[in-house]
Amino acid sequence: QLQLQESGPGLVKPSETLSLTCSVSGVSISSTVYYWAWIRQPPGKGPDWIASIFDGISTYYNPSLKSRVTISADTSKNQFSLRLTSVTAADSAVYYCVRQTPATSFDYWGQGTLVTVSS
Amino acid sequence: QSALTQPASVSGSPGQSITISCTGTSSDIGAYNYVSWYQQHPGKAPQLIIYEVSNRPSGVSYRFSGSKSGNTASLSISGLQADDEADYYCSSYTDRLTHIFGGGTKVTVL
Repeated sequence: QLQLQESGPGLVKPSETLSLTCSVSGVSISSTVYYWAWIRQPPGKGPDWIASIFDGISTYYNPSLKSRVTISADTSKNQFSLRLTSVTAADSAVYYCVRQTPATSFDYWGQGTLVTVSS
Repeated sequence: QSALTQPASVSGSPGQSITISCTGTSSDIGAYNYVSWYQQHPGKAPQLIIYEVSNRPSGVSYRFSGSKSGNTASLSISGLQADDEADYYCSSYTDRLTHIFGGGTKVTVL
């Protein structure tokens, strides 16, 4: 059964870099069918797509975050990661790693990890 | 890119039917049949309930149905049940190769 699990610090200081890793079990992220994505959700608000990666190489970014975001994959570990630089309080949210289907829907979600940006 | 527009709240009595609208533009909902809907209970991750406008994933109740007309998509829930009380979000692919979500609709079962 497919499972996704986020890991990373729950507290990041302003202006520093947020780094999260998603460990995937049950399917290879090298698959040329599915994309792998990061989505965040500020408390009380709707989800916000951050980035997607396909075949471990092709990357797609939310234009509003593109200058600060990097998504990457380590296929040997079956993991993909997110880096978000120069964070502010506005980046505080629950961050989810997600499988994206060819029909561009998000069918499997991790449990989410709360990241708070505060000094 | 602006979020898709959803009503903040919709309510109904058990057994009734409700409909949630999701309005976008010709660059997202109007451009593709790539609209999806998600149900989110408090403290849980969103769950996919509709994809490609009107398709239900395996295991999702037939009581959930989706449709689209122009730049507006809709989610209908028939035979409203207590467990349907949750937040619902629409999402669409866009012509900028990005994904956009709605602000969410809180469904209350009276």
